[in-house]
Amino acid sequence: GAVVSQHPSWVICKSGTSVKIECRSLDFQATTMFWYRQFPKQSLMLMATSNEGSKATYEQGVEKDKFLINHASLTLSTLTVTSAHPEDSSFYICSGRTDARETQYFGPGTRLLVL
Amino acid sequence: AQSVTQLDSQVPVFEEAPVELRCNYSSSVSVYLFWYVQYPNQGLQLLLKYLSGSTLVKGINGFEAEFNKSQTSFHLRKPSVHISDTAEYFCAVSFTNAGKSTFGDGTTLTVKP
Repeated sequence: GAVVSQHPSWVICKSGTSVKIECRSLDFQATTMFWYRQFPKQSLMLMATSNEGSKATYEQGVEKDKFLINHASLTLSTLTVTSAHPEDSSFYICSGRTDARETQYFGPGTRLLVL
Repeated sequence: AQSVTQLDSQVPVFEEAPVELRCNYSSSVSVYLFWYVQYPNQGLQLLLKYLSGSTLVKGINGFEAEFNKSQTSFHLRKPSVHISDTAEYFCAVSFTNAGKSTFGDGTTLTVKP
């Protein structure tokens, strides 16, 4: 089956620093990648949708300047949390998909803790 | 408005008992339907999906779901659960007029010995 990896799996950083999370589709080309945020015992909240080579489409209420998304190739998307603050601490999950009829394949998630 | 509702936030059940996790959606367009399972501190794993064709869909780990268009439901079922089925289950809907999916709030399935 299709595999999506995320790196790092967890990260602790100081408030004010920036953190980059990588999402890679290992055995398929993800024309679309999604970034989600999940708070404890809650559902996934879609942050943005990115298509390879295009600017990401952000959901309402998500700050595009704070959560920078780059989808430079069909197998890699990155999420950079700029000037992270404690309220940005969360579980970030990415997924990749080939087209709208296909399943989203999820990465294992990255747990971010901002001190 | 398009939405997904998982009717039960928590479902406790004894081992080897049957279980049904309920999911309803609201949409004015055709949909694709998915069930995912999430184990603690992990990403989501696809259990099954409905794109078209037969309304009864069989997935992994003995789960199945039935798409009911008239009731706009996609309930997940398993005839006999195991302790290892304890996890969070998410119903998701992908609307054909949009590229993104919407997830339900999740149902915590707890299987007791």
